[in-house]
Amino acid sequence: QKEVEQNSGPLSVPEGAIASLNCTYSDRGSQSFFWYRQYSGKSPELIMFIYSNGDKEDGRFTAQLNKASQYVSLLIRDSQPSDSATYLCAVGASGFKTIFGAGTRLFVKA
Amino acid sequence: EAQVTQNPRYLITVTGKKLTVTCSQNMNHEYMSWYRQDPGLGLRQIYYSMNVEVTDKGDVPEGYKVSRKEKRNFPLILESPSPNQTSLYFCASTLMAGAANEQFFGPGTRLTVL
Repeated sequence: QKEVEQNSGPLSVPEGAIASLNCTYSDRGSQSFFWYRQYSGKSPELIMFIYSNGDKEDGRFTAQLNKASQYVSLLIRDSQPSDSATYLCAVGASGFKTIFGAGTRLFVKA
Repeated sequence: EAQVTQNPRYLITVTGKKLTVTCSQNMNHEYMSWYRQDPGLGLRQIYYSMNVEVTDKGDVPEGYKVSRKEKRNFPLILESPSPNQTSLYFCASTLMAGAANEQFFGPGTRLTVL
């Protein structure tokens, strides 16, 4: 069974701090990795994707991938109350399936 | 406007009464998926389609059927719904077949089976 594991949280950080979200996956054949944000009652929307080992930065967001450790993370710098949401890690597994983690709830306190 | 639409958005039904949830995308995407989302379990893929007339099972296909007769439409069919299919359902589409691309999600369908 291919799995994607996330800490369910909630993760609570003060406004302006760095939020660190983590994800591990079991399928070594995975090639693509995504972070989606989901506000309560809404559909998921893509924040970042990463394919290669290392860091990828986009504004306040940085995705980090370590394929040897089967680990992917998302850092949110200068966290804002509007960042409060559930963050879903998704992995493009072998073949054509996408496996999602259960999500981490993030609360940013003003 | 590029979008994925689902209908109905909310549905309450009874055990055994066949239902269909429609999904349509206007982005000419090849790849479409259905997911269900349950508390603590995240999004689980039910079925996916790589193109017209090409569908395959995801991780939780039992009790569901799909069809892909046109590129834009990917309906989800519950032939005999049961209470354990009460869930939030999302349809999603991706430009190309393969899991390496961003998925665009519909607004969701909240289904309750009594």
